[in-house]
Amino acid sequence: DQQVKQNSPSLSVQEGRISILNCDYTNSMFDYFLWYKKYPAEGPTFLISISSIKDKNEDGRFTVFLNKSAKHLSLHIVPSQPGDSAVYFCAALPSNTGKLIFGQGTTLQVKP
Amino acid sequence: NAGVTQTPKFQVLKTGQSMTLQCAQDMNHEYMSWYRQDPGMGLRLIHYSVGAGITDQGEVPNGYNVSRSTTEDFPLRLLSAAPSQTSVYFCASSYSRGYAEAFFGQGTRLTVV
Repeated sequence: DQQVKQNSPSLSVQEGRISILNCDYTNSMFDYFLWYKKYPAEGPTFLISISSIKDKNEDGRFTVFLNKSAKHLSLHIVPSQPGDSAVYFCAALPSNTGKLIFGQGTTLQVKP
Repeated sequence: NAGVTQTPKFQVLKTGQSMTLQCAQDMNHEYMSWYRQDPGMGLRLIHYSVGAGITDQGEVPNGYNVSRSTTEDFPLRLLSAAPSQTSVYFCASSYSRGYAEAFFGQGTRLTVV
C-alpha cells in the first residue's frame, strides 16, 4: 500500500524552462511534506519542505505547492538548470510519528 | 563535523551469512532511520529510532534487527542474508520530529549471492 506516490518515473525539460514534479498521497494524517534530491552514488539531500497548514513555500528557484483537498503536492523548479538533473523524492511525515515515508522518485533530466 | 557516516560502502555476502551495517552521526540527533532503495520502489523505511534505547519497525522490517545503545550509533544487522536483501541501504538522522529534514549517509551497496 503505497501511501506516497510519484506516478511519473521520469521527466525531461529544456534548460531555462520550468520543471514540475508531482506527488500524491493517501494518508490524511500526514502533516509535513518534504522534497529530497539524489545524485547517483550519493545519499539524498533535503531540498524544501511545507507544513500542512500552508499551501505554498518558496526557496529561490524551488517552490512547493500543497493542495490538501486533492492530497497532491508539486515541486516547481524555475528556471531549470542542467545541474538539477537528479532523482527527486517526495516524502511525508504522519502527525503521530517521526517515520518519514517516501515516494518512488522521479528522474529529472534537464537538457542544455 | 562528518554528518552521517555509513560503513562499509560496498559488501558482497553469501546467502545465509550475517553482517552489520554501521551508521554513526555526530550532530547529536535524536532520530535515526534505516532505508533501503530498490528500483521502482523508492526509499522504504526498515527500522527507526527516536532516541537511545528506543526503536520501532518501519515498512519492511523482516530480516533486519537494530539496537540503539548510544545517541551516535544505529547499526543494522542482517542475521541470515537472502538475495532479496540485495539493495542500497541508507542511514538517516534528524534533530527531532519538529525538524524533520533528515541528513543521509552515502549509502551501502549490498549484494547477496
